[in-house]
Amino acid sequence: AQTVTQSQPEMSVQEAETVTLSCTYDTSESDYYLFWYKQPPSRQMILVIRQEAYKQQNATENRFSVNFQKAAKSFSLKISDSQLGDAAMYFCAYNPSGTYKYIFGTGTRLKVLA
Amino acid sequence: EAEVAQSPRYKITEKSQAVAFWCDPISGHATLYWYRQILGQGPELLVQFQDESVVDDSQLPKDRFSAERLKGVDSTLKIQPAELGDSAMYLCASSQLAGVLGGELFFGEGSRLTVL
Repeated sequence: AQTVTQSQPEMSVQEAETVTLSCTYDTSESDYYLFWYKQPPSRQMILVIRQEAYKQQNATENRFSVNFQKAAKSFSLKISDSQLGDAAMYFCAYNPSGTYKYIFGTGTRLKVLA
Repeated sequence: EAEVAQSPRYKITEKSQAVAFWCDPISGHATLYWYRQILGQGPELLVQFQDESVVDDSQLPKDRFSAERLKGVDSTLKIQPAELGDSAMYLCASSQLAGVLGGELFFGEGSRLTVL
């Protein structure tokens, strides 16, 4: 079965510091997409970053970057220069290529300390 | 900026009552999803539409849940009768390119259901 695991229910980071959120997934597929979504309190979930499995280069979006290790089935999110607005639930998601299915992890609550 | 609209934002109901949620996706988005998110957990797919057709409803408890997207635009999710275990956030999402190019999902703010 295809599963997504986020082993850190909660993380804290000091403002301006760097934090890494972990995600592992299980699949027998070779082609797929991985995502990190952010869900702020009482706000809608939004896409943070997207990675295509066939691309070896790690995706980056401003202060957000990923460490994609395909062989290890690991997809971690690094947030640099953390800001108070980064406080939210972060969900890792997996989408097998060519399907409509998106599988989400259980989420990591990120707290940013001033 | 176009958004996915959901209503109501909050719903409190007693068990055995009927409840309905409405979703209007971003214009032009053919794919629509209903997810259930229990507090502290990730979203779990209930049903997925491509235009007006159901693509996946394998996790939808069909004895009490129903969903429709009659004209391939907005959608309604109904629960009848509601049970205590249905208390959760119901999220609607839409996508233009889902299943083809790993398209981004656009989520609404959700409808939080509390069953007493």
